[in-house]
This record gives sequence, C-alpha cells and structure tokens, in this order.
Amino acid sequence: EIVLTQSPATLSLSPGERASLSCRASQSVSTFLAWYQQKPGQAPRLLIYDTSKRATGIPVRFSGSGSGTDFTLTISRLEPEDFAVYYCQQRSNWPRRITFGQGTRLEIK
Amino acid sequence: QVQLQESGPGLVKPSETLSLTCTVSGGSINSSSWIWIRQPPGKGLEWIGYIYYRGDTNYNPSLKSRVTISADTSKNQFSLKLTSVTAADTAVYYCASGYSYGFFYMDVWGRGTTVTVSS
Repeated sequence: EIVLTQSPATLSLSPGERASLSCRASQSVSTFLAWYQQKPGQAPRLLIYDTSKRATGIPVRFSGSGSGTDFTLTISRLEPEDFAVYYCQQRSNWPRRITFGQGTRLEIK
Repeated sequence: QVQLQESGPGLVKPSETLSLTCTVSGGSINSSSWIWIRQPPGKGLEWIGYIYYRGDTNYNPSLKSRVTISADTSKNQFSLKLTSVTAADTAVYYCASGYSYGFFYMDVWGRGTTVTVSS
C-alpha cells in the first residue's frame, strides 16, 4: 500500500512569502496526485489534480509539480486566506485505493 | 452545480451500526464516483470507500470487513454503513464525488456530519 509523507508538519510564514510544501510517496504514483486545502470547520477543497492542474477557480499563485515519488505544492505569495491545512492525495490503479498524506499546517508567523 | 448533503444520527452506541446517507442534488448519481471520507477530531483525512456509478465498490482495507457503501438511484442518494463501531470511529464523515476531474479527485464535498460513538 502506498504511503504519502508530507513535510514539514507545520510551516510558519508571513503573508507575501513563498510557501513550498512537500509530499513524498513510498512508491511511484506517476502524476496521479492531488492537493487539498482545509480550513477549520470546513470540508477540504480541491486545489490541484494530476500533479499540476489547477481546479476551477483556484488562484494562479497555487502551483504543483513533481512526478514519481516527490511532489511539491507551491504558493507563490501567501495571502491571509491561504493559512490552512494542506493534504496531498493519491489514487492507485491496482489495487484501487485512495490515500491521503497526514497534512501540513501552514500558519502565520 | 452538484451539491452533496450528509444526513444521519449524530450519536451511535458502541457495537452498533453507523448509517449515513448522502443526497446528491444538481446532478445524477448515474455518473461519476461517490466517496466517503472521515476525519477523527484533530486528525487527518481517511478514505473509507467509494461506489462507482456502475455499482462497483471498493473499500479501505482497514475498514473493509465492517463497511458497506450502496446507492439508491431512484432517490439520487448513496449510503454508508459501518458495523460494530467503537470510540475510534468517532469522526466527521464527509461524502464527496470525483465529478469533474476524474473519479478519484474529490472536487465536490458535503459539509460533513459529526458522528460520536458513545454509550
């Protein structure tokens, strides 16, 4: 079973700074990786799918990259509303599974 | 625009069965994938399982022996049953759908419903 490990667990930055969040898979997931943002009391929101494609309505400051086992979510210039928890997620074809990383909390410094 | 709404008891006794329903509006359940995810208090997301529009199901191996996901196309709903619950099953339960970007990328979510397992 594929395990996703996110780092760091917590990232403290200031508005306007650049954020880089990492997600590492225990084996290759090709480019079948997504990123979600979750704010307190809310359901997660899909940001990025297939490693680098932005979902509808997601600002261009969010970008994804990587392939195989190493992936990065980059937020180019942090806005106050970006401080939240971020999860990566993969889907494997065989066996068919969905797995989430443990999350990275992005907090205001 | 597709919307999802979870419903069901907020309190379940240990050893009993947790039953939740997700009502789909603004779209048909006869397409896409329909997924259950949960989040224990203060913890991360855990995939429970999904049902395809064709009726195929797949479950998280850690829960497989206790989980059933089914769909009622006449009501445009899908449901979750989790048997023999314990306190470890206390969580916010979300229904979701891989509606726009592929079956396994959840772009539509319900608001979530909190289920507490306690006597």
